[in-house]
Amino acid sequence: EAGVAQSPRYKIIEKRQSVAFWCNPISGHATLYWYQQILGQGPKLLIQFQNNGVVDDSQLPKDRFSAERLKGVDSTLKIQPAKLEDSAVYLCASSLAGGKVNEQFFGPGTRLTVL
Amino acid sequence: AQTVTQSQPEMSVQEAETVTLSCTYDTSESDYYLFWYKQPPSRQMILVIRQEAYKQQNATENRFSVNFQKAAKSFSLKISDSQLGDAAMYFCAYRGTSGTYKYIFGTGTRLKVLA
Repeated sequence: EAGVAQSPRYKIIEKRQSVAFWCNPISGHATLYWYQQILGQGPKLLIQFQNNGVVDDSQLPKDRFSAERLKGVDSTLKIQPAKLEDSAVYLCASSLAGGKVNEQFFGPGTRLTVL
Repeated sequence: AQTVTQSQPEMSVQEAETVTLSCTYDTSESDYYLFWYKQPPSRQMILVIRQEAYKQQNATENRFSVNFQKAAKSFSLKISDSQLGDAAMYFCAYRGTSGTYKYIFGTGTRLKVLA
């Protein structure tokens, strides 16, 4: 079974530029999560999708971050414009459903460096 | 709001010895789930073990076991017969059973295994 795929693995940009990350969850997983993991901290949930609907985006900085999950499959997370404090690893995870406690499977992450 | 605290930024253990990682949490919910995740240097996070709050019996997965103290809101992970491959960041996580089922992670404990 293929795991959660993310691309790119690494990205370096200058502040005020825009960047986009892509995630393809495990086939059949209805729930998709985007986390931000700043160095030395635990993952922080940015947004959670159930199919193509947003379940929780309370910690998403909506003035610069956006995310979509078209057709309830893969998802993109965008930052525009980027700030220095956005340097982090962006993790995507998926699970079978949000209502039950199904295991989250994580992708390898995208390491973003903002200069 | 729920919080998860890991007070040990780093721990060391000799190979084949036992080590315990600590985690405390705060919640007003009576039913919830607790998890330990492992994040090796490659950064792909994997689930180690999980505990359902309504179960009094402590969860066990091979060399990994937990000590769940609901009244004290404590959830420690014991690793027996430590192996070099156990070296990683370990994150404690909480997930409620109401609302959006958001996962809340602690700041992590870096485990070093000494040969």
